[in-house]
Amino acid sequence: DIVMTQTPLSSPVTLGQPASISCRSSQNLVHSDGNTYLSWLQQRPGQPPRLLIYKISNRFSGVPDRFSGSGAGTDFTLKISRVEAEDVGVYYCMQGTQFPYTFGQGTKLVIK
Amino acid sequence: EVQLLESGGGLVQPGGSLRLSCAASGFIFSSYDMNWVRQAPGRGLEWVSRISGSGNTTYYADSVKGRFTIARDNSKNTLYLQVNSLRADDTALYYCAKDRTPGAGNFDCWGQGTLVTVSS
Repeated sequence: DIVMTQTPLSSPVTLGQPASISCRSSQNLVHSDGNTYLSWLQQRPGQPPRLLIYKISNRFSGVPDRFSGSGAGTDFTLKISRVEAEDVGVYYCMQGTQFPYTFGQGTKLVIK
Repeated sequence: EVQLLESGGGLVQPGGSLRLSCAASGFIFSSYDMNWVRQAPGRGLEWVSRISGSGNTTYYADSVKGRFTIARDNSKNTLYLQVNSLRADDTALYYCAKDRTPGAGNFDCWGQGTLVTVSS
């Protein structure tokens, strides 16, 4: 199975400041179709997960442009340019390249 | 508006069974692969199973293989998960999730979840 490792596991951030979360996979995530199925999800307290970014860097519909994704191969990053109060929650990376699909442990974003 | 609504969870004894359902609306259900993902209390996300749009192809996590069965009824726009031989570590909130595009492991819509509690 592909292991997804996120760092940090907790990220205290000041409102208006940037935040960055790293995700590393134990195997290259390039699919045989040429796509890299690495996505980022946000889970606000008491809510189901919500898709933010798919295929490394594509923002899903309705996601603010302060969220951006980057990376390739086995190393990926989610960045929030200016954290807002509504960004509090847990962020997960997920690989959908190979079965079983796997998630990172989650990174908890908290406001300082 | 795309919506997914799970039901069927509850309290069940170890070794028991349940059938979870996920009613879909707002999209052409038969055109999309669907998944079940679970989350144990206070824990992270674990992918459980996937089914193709036609229902012909299924995949399972090793932790549930042989005990859980995913199915769909495209005439009813409903996804199912039959969960048998339940164990305490199956206790979790079970979400259904829609794939963004066929064959892609990107989940663009999630239900609110249905809670399964396995306890004597």
